[in-house]
Amino acid sequence: RKEVEQDPGPFNVPEGATVAFNCTYSNSASQSFFWYRQDCRKEPKLLMSVYSSGNEDGRFTAQLNRASQYISLLIRDSKLSDSATYLCVVNGGGNKLVFGAGTILRVKS
Amino acid sequence: GAVVSQHPSWVICKSGTSVKIECRSLDFQATTMFWYRQFPKQSLMLMATSNEGSKATYEQGVEKDKFLINHASLTLSTLTVTSAHPEDSSFYICSARFGGPNTEAFFGQGTRLTVV
Repeated sequence: RKEVEQDPGPFNVPEGATVAFNCTYSNSASQSFFWYRQDCRKEPKLLMSVYSSGNEDGRFTAQLNRASQYISLLIRDSKLSDSATYLCVVNGGGNKLVFGAGTILRVKS
Repeated sequence: GAVVSQHPSWVICKSGTSVKIECRSLDFQATTMFWYRQFPKQSLMLMATSNEGSKATYEQGVEKDKFLINHASLTLSTLTVTSAHPEDSSFYICSARFGGPNTEAFFGQGTRLTVV
């Protein structure tokens, strides 16, 4: 079983749609969680950290369920510029980050 | 925010030659840097943790004699792919953190290596 698992997609959605991505992780001792965004042939960039209480940043909402070892990302009112690969990232201990394979989002007009 | 600079951004080399990739933290000191490799449509895979002033810690399955890592200063880590082969062609990315496990990781721009 992979340490971090994501649905690879692609998710093809129209502009303005709401889309949700899920991620599960296997290491119950993980303490920090992130969503990164990676555009084609570019380096990953932090989208948002994920806190136990859930957190929101504009159109983006992240949730963490420690009991189920599950993380989610909700994007509301999708824009064309949201098209990218979204990486679920978990701190694997010892300051190492473990990346999911990513979920591809394509927003179309 | 903090900046990590990686050079070169792309390189084409002949089979059997060695390639050095540099990763610099421009405005902070990084005692630890991380080197990743990403094949097309796959996840970033951690290759090794680079520790300033000491030996790198390699992940299982990564050949330390093939992927030489040197972290000579608090702002520079280098990855040398020795005797490169076509199967080493990949996207190599370094990252560094300004703080502890809960802080953002900043990534270099990545190096696309093509071995012909």
